[in-house]
Amino acid sequence: AQSVTQLDSHVSVSEGTPVLLRCNYSSSYSPSLFWYVQHPNKGLQLLLKYTSAATLVKGINGFEAEFKKSETSFHLTKPSAHMSDAAEYFCVVSLSSGTYKYIFGTGTRLKVLA
Amino acid sequence: DTAVSQTPKYLVTQMGNDKSIKCEQNLGHDTMYWYKQDSKKFLKIMFSYNNKELIINETVPNRFSPKSPDKAHLNLHINSLELGDSAVYFCASSQTGTGVYGYTFGSGTRLTVV
Repeated sequence: AQSVTQLDSHVSVSEGTPVLLRCNYSSSYSPSLFWYVQHPNKGLQLLLKYTSAATLVKGINGFEAEFKKSETSFHLTKPSAHMSDAAEYFCVVSLSSGTYKYIFGTGTRLKVLA
Repeated sequence: DTAVSQTPKYLVTQMGNDKSIKCEQNLGHDTMYWYKQDSKKFLKIMFSYNNKELIINETVPNRFSPKSPDKAHLNLHINSLELGDSAVYFCASSQTGTGVYGYTFGSGTRLTVV
């Protein structure tokens, strides 16, 4: 069965320090993987996506993620956190066989400390 | 120029009532979705329409009925509202049914049943 696991429900970093949000997936097929961000009381915004091209994917706002098939991981990173990065982050796997649909992770709340 | 717009943004209603949420996208996308986000921020797909045809119908109570009059609109009607229906409902659209280019989400409708 396809699934996605976000290993941390909460992450706190100081402003200006690196961000690492971890995501592992399970898929029988070649997955498409995404990271979305949700700011408080807002909809979800696409940060970046992996769709079997380059394994290192760059997204908006300085975020990037690396697809590692051997580790079944798709961790999200940013070199230097900004206060505006505080939000909920969702890792998503899109099933690529049969009925196409997104499977969402349970989310990681990122807190950025001044 | 809102890409995916949902109305209303907030909806407070009594148990037993019937209510509708409307969604419109101006992106020219073929596929639209309804997602439910519970109090723990978990997102689960409810329905998906591709060119007005229902392609995903998850296990939701039949009190929930989607309607797609054209590919730019996907409305959600809920009969006999229950306390457990309280959640944030997100509409989304994607260029294709595979969603490999990512979804565009609306800003959500916060439904509170009292």
